[in-house]
Amino acid sequence: DGGITQSPKYLFRKEGQNVTLSCEQNLNHDAMYWYRQDPGQGLRLIYYSQIVNDFQKGDIAEGYSVSREKKESFPLTVTSAQKNPTAFYLCASSTAGGMNTGELFFGEGSRLTVL
Amino acid sequence: SQQGEEDPQALSIQEGENATMNCSYKTSINNLQWYRQNSGRGLVHLILIRSNEREKHSGRLRVTLDTSKKSSSLLITASRAADTASYFCEYLDRGSTLGRLYFGRGTQLTVWP
Repeated sequence: DGGITQSPKYLFRKEGQNVTLSCEQNLNHDAMYWYRQDPGQGLRLIYYSQIVNDFQKGDIAEGYSVSREKKESFPLTVTSAQKNPTAFYLCASSTAGGMNTGELFFGEGSRLTVL
Repeated sequence: SQQGEEDPQALSIQEGENATMNCSYKTSINNLQWYRQNSGRGLVHLILIRSNEREKHSGRLRVTLDTSKKSSSLLITASRAADTASYFCEYLDRGSTLGRLYFGRGTQLTVWP
């Protein structure tokens, strides 16, 4: 079945460590997104990519990095420079360009806890 | 920020009652979507309304859009306990060449049996 897969679902990290969250989609979507969600809050955009080998910063990109080497994959690295990384991270994908209706398809999320 | 605003932030009702959630936005849009999020899960798309539409129905869902007021509402009729979730609006900025999407802050709906 087509869909978007995030892994791991739960992740624990010590302070000072980098961690990479995986996001893979087989929907043939050009655009992919990473959002952060804190308890009781809406979604805040970290990074997004409209096409392979290109990505743009969102509203809260500091302390995060991404790559888009393949259409199917958009991994997010939470670096030690992110001061408050404990959160729920959501990856999404959509069609891009003229076909983009704005409808996003979401993964099930990754919950990162910094100990 | 172009982030949308939703109200109420939280809504608590009994089964069988209707639930209305509102979303206001700041930019010009092409489309507006509503999503549902169960606790600890990803968001699931519910319904899309285009900027040239005023109302749309899907099952027990009714969405309205008023572009002059830059607002949208989601009505869930005859609510059920299973409707308990957070609901978010999302819209595409018409002026963005990069396809920028924005979300509202969400409404937490609790439906009591």
